[in-house]
Amino acid sequence: GEDVEQSLFLSVREGDSSVINCTYTDSSSTYLYWYKQEPGAGLQLLTYIFSNMDMKQDQRLTVLLNKKDKHLSLRIADTQTGDSAIYFCAERQQYSSASKIIFGSGTRLSIRP
Amino acid sequence: KAGVTQTPRYLIKTRGQQVTLSCSPISGHRSVSWYQQTPGQGLQFLFEYFSETQRNKGNFPGRFSGRQFSNSRSEMNVSTLELGDSALYLCASSDEGRNEQFFGPGTRLTVL
Repeated sequence: GEDVEQSLFLSVREGDSSVINCTYTDSSSTYLYWYKQEPGAGLQLLTYIFSNMDMKQDQRLTVLLNKKDKHLSLRIADTQTGDSAIYFCAERQQYSSASKIIFGSGTRLSIRP
Repeated sequence: KAGVTQTPRYLIKTRGQQVTLSCSPISGHRSVSWYQQTPGQGLQFLFEYFSETQRNKGNFPGRFSGRQFSNSRSEMNVSTLELGDSALYLCASSDEGRNEQFFGPGTRLTVL
């Protein structure tokens, strides 16, 4: 199957850490991505991880990959109001020279004061 | 470098009409992909073009078509529009051999 699944909503207090989880089904996925979408805007690539890695850190963002369980997470440290957005997990499926990216349904992150 | 640009940003059409959307990738990027985003179905892959050739296609009816020009600009066309075609259409470009895909702001199509 091609499913990428995420919970729909997450609410965190400003300054706390946010953890957004995702599961995917295609064990042959090469890259896994996190995108951010703010209202009325396109998708902004936040970070990505190669499938043979288990962790990647980039400033406030930490990506953890459990390939055995096909589980991906994005941790945002010190969450700020500007982090309010929808976050999409995505997997890249490669077929010889062609590829396509399969997206999850997105997790809407809201920040409480 | 300028980012991915899409025109028009907003479009209103009526059922049965056809529409053409345009995408200009980041300079030097030769791969362009198109996605449809709706509240009900989320983000769905339409097609990918590379060097003027369609390299991959999603599960959409033949009313959805596209092409890519020699300067890597791409267009997608939807014929015989249906109400369900109302969506945000996103274009993304990437540099062959690299793994990042950069998205444009999208074209919001409303079909009445």
